Amino acid sequence: DTGVSQDPRHKITKRGQNVTFRCDPISEHNRLYWYRQTLGQGPEFLTYFQNEAQLEKSRLLSDRFSAERPKGSFSTLEIQRTEQGDSAMYLCASGGQGREQYFGPGTRLTVT
Amino acid sequence: KQEVTQIPAALSVPEGENLVLNCSFTDSAIYNLQWFRQDPGKGLTSLLLIQSSQREQTSGRLNASLDKSSGRSTLYIAASQPGDSATYLCALGGNTPLVFGKGTRLSVIA
Repeated sequence: DTGVSQDPRHKITKRGQNVTFRCDPISEHNRLYWYRQTLGQGPEFLTYFQNEAQLEKSRLLSDRFSAERPKGSFSTLEIQRTEQGDSAMYLCASGGQGREQYFGPGTRLTVT
Repeated sequence: KQEVTQIPAALSVPEGENLVLNCSFTDSAIYNLQWFRQDPGKGLTSLLLIQSSQREQTSGRLNASLDKSSGRSTLYIAASQPGDSATYLCALGGNTPLVFGKGTRLSVIA
């Protein structure tokens, strides 16, 4: 069990560019969650998957955001046409249904 | 809609002191409650999970309690150490995405 991993750990991009983040969950976990955290706030839910099915999307997830988990293993989160307001820590977590969630180290996005 | 509040927002204590962090929530129909630790610029480390049918959980110097009827949870840290300095977050959920409080930033002074 290597834990939840995320790549990259840091990303600096210019406004208007597209970025993609990857999350590798703990292998036996069927649920994968994406959260976003800004300075001084708790994480806020974005979307989650059970296996390859995307079960829920927050209203925080605008049309510029898309997430996939094509084979029920790793997941990607893409942000198109980034804005300065997208600057945040993007956190991925995995867990079983109704079970404890385990978080990765996060990807810190800075939009200049 | 579930709302989670953590008080105080920040706390500074001398090393060796016992302390209590508070978490309150508005909807008592919860599945479970998790306490996390977050170091600056890092991800979240799960400390304790309390199922809705449980009243408390213990791990080492940490003890978390849950009172659904009053909508409260506490995290008790015994004999605090400088290495305990971090932000502590509580979150409710389990069968649904977690809803977090804003956290309590703890500083333990040597």
